Amino acid sequence: EAQVTQNPRYLITVTGKKLTVTCSQNMNHEYMSWYRQDPGLGLRQIYYSMNVEVTDKGDVPEGYKVSRKEKRNFPLILESPSPNQTSLYFCASRPGGGGGHRGEQFFGPGTRLTVL
Amino acid sequence: TQLLEQSPQFLSIQEGENLTVYCNSSSVFSSLQWYRQEPGEGPVLLVTVVTGGEVKKLKRLTFQFGDARKDSSLHITAAQPGDTGLYLCARSWGKLQFGAGTQVVVTP
Repeated sequence: EAQVTQNPRYLITVTGKKLTVTCSQNMNHEYMSWYRQDPGLGLRQIYYSMNVEVTDKGDVPEGYKVSRKEKRNFPLILESPSPNQTSLYFCASRPGGGGGHRGEQFFGPGTRLTVL
Repeated sequence: TQLLEQSPQFLSIQEGENLTVYCNSSSVFSSLQWYRQEPGEGPVLLVTVVTGGEVKKLKRLTFQFGDARKDSSLHITAAQPGDTGLYLCARSWGKLQFGAGTQVVVTP
């Protein structure tokens, strides 16, 4: 089944404790991205990757890191989480490494993160 | 400030009623996508519109793209409880930019 998987689905942590949220897709998509979703603000892009070893900042990258060592995986790293990073996080992928709309974007099920 | 304004923010209707939600911007869209998100899940693409004036239908859902490509609407005919969800519009501008969404609740 074609899908985007994220782990963990739920995470409660404390300020400053490094964490990684994993994302994996099995559709051989070039483009992957991370979003956070907050009430009243919609989905905001954190980072995106157009292909292996190619990553770039989205609209709200501060406090986050990503890596793209393999095509299928795109982990989101919070080196020192803070309470304002409490949010619902989504990983997404789509075919096509360039900009513009190139096919449907597939979203993972989300990771609800709480930073105390 | 949201680049994409969606209205209304919340809509609660009875089964069988019709509804329309809107997505507006001061800028021209190269293309616009509509997604539906159900609780505990990620958004799922409903449709992509590209041409000004375009109308697309998906069963009871009708999507319209404004002639000037600055606005779009989603109309649902005879809404059912299964239509409940958060409806998001997103414009493609090198990357996807989302509106805040319209929460639709359809009660039996």
